[in-house]
Amino acid sequence: AQSVTQLDSHVSVSEGTPVLLRCNYSSSYSPSLFWYVQHPNKGLQLLLKYTSAATLVKGINGFEAEFKKSETSFHLTKPSAHMSDAAEYFCVAKGIQGAQKLVFGQGTRLTINP
Amino acid sequence: EPEVTQTPSHQVTQMGQEVILRCVPISNHLYFYWYRQILGQKVEFLVSFYNNEISEKSEIFDDQFSVERPDGSNFTLKIRSTKLEDSAMYFCASTREGRTEAFFGQGTRLTVV
Repeated sequence: AQSVTQLDSHVSVSEGTPVLLRCNYSSSYSPSLFWYVQHPNKGLQLLLKYTSAATLVKGINGFEAEFKKSETSFHLTKPSAHMSDAAEYFCVAKGIQGAQKLVFGQGTRLTINP
Repeated sequence: EPEVTQTPSHQVTQMGQEVILRCVPISNHLYFYWYRQILGQKVEFLVSFYNNEISEKSEIFDDQFSVERPDGSNFTLKIRSTKLEDSAMYFCASTREGRTEAFFGQGTRLTVV
């Protein structure tokens, strides 16, 4: 089955340290890939997107992600975590099997320790 | 900046009652979606809508669910006879055609009692 897998359900880091949230996709096609963030009791906000242009994508709030076709990965990183980064993060694919629907990963809850 | 708006933000309904969740997608978008997120679980696809018809639906989207775009701006999700397990956050989203990102509304929290 075509899918998106987020390898960690929960990641905890200290403020000021790097963040790595992992995502792998399974597809015969090259999908568009996105990271969305959901703060408590809020909607889904787009962090960044990959749509077949540059493989290293920069997003808002200092986040970036690198598309690696050979590894079918799209990991999200940030050099230095901030308390306000605490949220749920979703890796999302579009265009898997040519469909227009978005396929969500399971989500990763990011906790920032002071 | 254009945004997707959903109303109401929170709806409480009795089991067996009909509910209609409303969404106003971004005006020049062509694809519309409903997703739901049961508390503590992943975001699940319900249905996509294009050119005034359903383009894809999930197993969750059974005969109790329907969608409409009645007036060219609103996009509604109707649940005919709600069940306790329909309690969730429902998100509407829209996107332009192609590989572009989807824009999500703030969600409607549906509580079935």
